[in-house]
Amino acid sequence: EVQLVQSGAEVKKPGDSLRISCKASGYSFTTYWITWVRQMPGKGLEWMGNIDPTDSYTNYSPSFQGHVTISVDKSISTAYLHWGSLEASDTAMYFCARQGQYTYGYFDPWGQGTQVTVSS
Amino acid sequence: EIVMTQSPATLSVSPGERATLSCRASQSVSNKLAWYQQKPGQSHRLLIYGASTRAAGIPARFSGSGSGTEFTLTISGVQSEDFAVYYCQQYNNWPRNTFGQGTKLEIK
Repeated sequence: EVQLVQSGAEVKKPGDSLRISCKASGYSFTTYWITWVRQMPGKGLEWMGNIDPTDSYTNYSPSFQGHVTISVDKSISTAYLHWGSLEASDTAMYFCARQGQYTYGYFDPWGQGTQVTVSS
Repeated sequence: EIVMTQSPATLSVSPGERATLSCRASQSVSNKLAWYQQKPGQSHRLLIYGASTRAAGIPARFSGSGSGTEFTLTISGVQSEDFAVYYCQQYNNWPRNTFGQGTKLEIK
């Protein structure tokens, strides 16, 4: 079974750094990209960026470029989303998803989500 | 950036009725359009990709249509478990992507 399992909920203060993870299983990790999606409380989905685990090539939405970093560790089939300095507005649920290439660029499956709360 | 607009924001239907959800792209995305379902407190499930292909395990009452800039997700005979929020996503300019803002399907 193809699965993406995300790390647990986090509560942080403004200015803190944070890395959340997304561990893949059930398929060859380098065959598909991993994408990250933000969902703020009561809001819709925002695509943040994605990464090719083969060579760590990344793409970011302009809305998130420079504020987050996406990375992978191929040896443990895990993708990461990293913040160097969190803001209160980063409070949201974050999802990872497996993404195919080109014609197969849809997201399937999704991780269960990681709640990030940033509060002083 | 390609902007995806979903309508209506909320759709109220009775169980057993047909639900029709729309998604419009600001420019052509060919057939590179997917639909997802999100139930309260849950993650997202792929329903449709390629505008009209049902994902594995998706019931036949879900169907997708359209190409270019206009797309429709139809649920024929809505069941209680279908009340959820539905999102469309374009992947025509892969690896970049955009989502619609979602349509909430609620019980009438």
